[in-house]
Amino acid sequence: EVQLLESGGGLVQPGGSLRLSCTASGFTFSSYAMSWVRQAPEKGLEWVSTISSGGGSTYYADSVKGRFTISRDNSKNTLYLQMNSLRAEDTAIYNCVKRPYSTLSGPFEYWGQGTLVTVSS
Amino acid sequence: DIQMTQSPSSLSASVGDRVTITCRASQSISSHLNWYQQKPGKAPKLLIYAASSLQSGVPSRFSGSGSGTDFTLTISSLQPEDFATYYCQQSYSPPLTFGGGTKVDIK
Repeated sequence: EVQLLESGGGLVQPGGSLRLSCTASGFTFSSYAMSWVRQAPEKGLEWVSTISSGGGSTYYADSVKGRFTISRDNSKNTLYLQMNSLRAEDTAIYNCVKRPYSTLSGPFEYWGQGTLVTVSS
Repeated sequence: DIQMTQSPSSLSASVGDRVTITCRASQSISSHLNWYQQKPGKAPKLLIYAASSLQSGVPSRFSGSGSGTDFTLTISSLQPEDFATYYCQQSYSPPLTFGGGTKVDIK
């Protein structure tokens, strides 16, 4: 059974930083691309970033480009999202998502339950 | 960016009803269209991928159709557990974008 467990969320001041982690189990982590998708309170879904299976290719939404960095440690079955220069509009639940292939293509196959990031002074 | 427009934004239906939700892309996305179901307080769940392929474990009352710019999600006979919000999403080209959602509630 695919399991994705996010951690690292919390309250941070505008301009601050936070690192999210996602620990994966139930599948061969190193074979699949992974993504982060966020959902602001009472709002819709927004893709944030994707990383290829080996980590060599990364993609970002324009809204986070230059501020967020996605990475992975395949030896630890863990996905990361380093978030810098946080803004109020980054407040959301951040979900870790498994993709069905090694690259960007395909749907958001399996979702973690998410971790809440609140940016506020 | 490819814009995804869902309609309606909400609907009320009864158990047993046939429900149809539409999704329109701002440009052709071939069949790179996926559908998700989200219940309150829960993460989204993949229902349909590649416009018409049923994800493993999803009941056969859910079906998807369409290609190019116009797509449809159909629930053939609405069940109590189907009351939720449904999102379409294009996986044709980045940035990967979602529709605004359709909330299905009880009439």
